[in-house]
Amino acid sequence: EAGVAQSPRYKIIEKRQSVAFWCNPISGHATLYWYQQILGQGPKLLIQFQNNGVVDDSQLPKDRFSAERLKGVDSTLKIQPAKLEDSAVYLCASSPDRGYTEAFFGQGTRLTVV
Amino acid sequence: KQEVTQIPAALSVPEGENLVLNCSFTDSAIYNLQWFRQDPGKGLTSLLLIQSSQREQTSGRLNASLDKSSGRSTLYIAASQPGDSATYLCAVGGSGNTGKLIFGQGTTLQVKP
Repeated sequence: EAGVAQSPRYKIIEKRQSVAFWCNPISGHATLYWYQQILGQGPKLLIQFQNNGVVDDSQLPKDRFSAERLKGVDSTLKIQPAKLEDSAVYLCASSPDRGYTEAFFGQGTRLTVV
Repeated sequence: KQEVTQIPAALSVPEGENLVLNCSFTDSAIYNLQWFRQDPGKGLTSLLLIQSSQREQTSGRLNASLDKSSGRSTLYIAASQPGDSATYLCAVGGSGNTGKLIFGQGTTLQVKP
């Protein structure tokens, strides 16, 4: 079974530029999560999708971050404009359903904003 | 608001030693608790999942315990090996079981040969 795929693996941008990350969850998984992990901290949930609807985006900085899940499968997370404090690893995870107990994580995208 | 704390932040032990990693949480109304492993530059690998009704789970040399009433979990690693070197993260799932995980900041373990 293929795992959660993310791209790119690494990205370096200047502040005020825009960037987009892509995630392809495990086939058939209804729930998709985006987490932000700042160096030295644990991951923090940014947004959770159930199929193509948003379940929780309470910690998403909506003035600069946006996310969508196309046709309930792939998802993109965008930052525009980026700030220095957005430097982090962005992790995508998926699970069969929101009530399922285990989520499976991708390898993450490491973003550096200079 | 649920907060998860892991102590210590870093740990260095000689190979072969048994060790315990600690995790505490402020709200005992959890659905489950998970321990993850994170290698440098990699994603998270789930190690053990404990449901709120369970007291412990075991997998190979790993044993995780859960005490909801005191808001604590421990991850016990027996006979540590250099390959165990990684960051270990504790995460709790809230009582509503939305799937959202709240993570601690992790314990970085180094096992010296």
